[in-house]
Amino acid sequence: QKEVEQDPGPLSVPEGAIVSLNCTYSNSAFQYFMWYRQYSRKGPELLMYTYSSGNKEDGRFTAQVDKSSKYISLFIRDSQPSDSATYLCAMSSASGGSYIPTFGRGTSLIVHP
Amino acid sequence: NAGVTQTPKFQVLKTGQSMTLQCAQDMNHNSMYWYRQDPGMGLRLIYYSASEGTTDKGEVPNGYNVSRLNKREFSLRLESAAPSQTSVYFCASRAQGTGADTQYFGPGTRLTVL
Repeated sequence: QKEVEQDPGPLSVPEGAIVSLNCTYSNSAFQYFMWYRQYSRKGPELLMYTYSSGNKEDGRFTAQVDKSSKYISLFIRDSQPSDSATYLCAMSSASGGSYIPTFGRGTSLIVHP
Repeated sequence: NAGVTQTPKFQVLKTGQSMTLQCAQDMNHNSMYWYRQDPGMGLRLIYYSASEGTTDKGEVPNGYNVSRLNKREFSLRLESAAPSQTSVYFCASRAQGTGADTQYFGPGTRLTVL
């Protein structure tokens, strides 16, 4: 079993829907939780970053971390066709020079007009 | 400010050939990373460099070597390419000590080994 599990999808939703993307993990030492967005044939770009538990909101995006359940989520409100991309979760137990994040396999999201 | 740049963008090699993938960042970051991305496998770390002058193996280092030439540049070398090394390679950099542990990724190099 991988340390970080993420359903590859694809997840297909109509424009305007609320999207929920999720990852589960097994390493209780993870403290730093990230979501990256990767458009086709491009490099990943950081979307959201959360330290420890709780929620973080940025525009239409909300990241949620539940350390007791070892479960993180990314919610996208009012989804747009431009949100169509692969979403990668990543997490790390350390900061500084020892920062080596573990990535999920990514979920492909398709938002159709 | 170009961020993280990678060359070449595409490359086709024959089995046994060698090549070096180049990566440079202009953000004055200490840490740099090389990943490969394969369908269904996500990003897997090949090597990383926590600071200039240091390099360490990641999850899948076999068949690769790296050089941290200076603070800006981190190259990945395939000495004898194999078809199993067909992949998309991403370089990333990160500023050490920042509150947000953000990695900035380059655009990738698409490598095919025949």
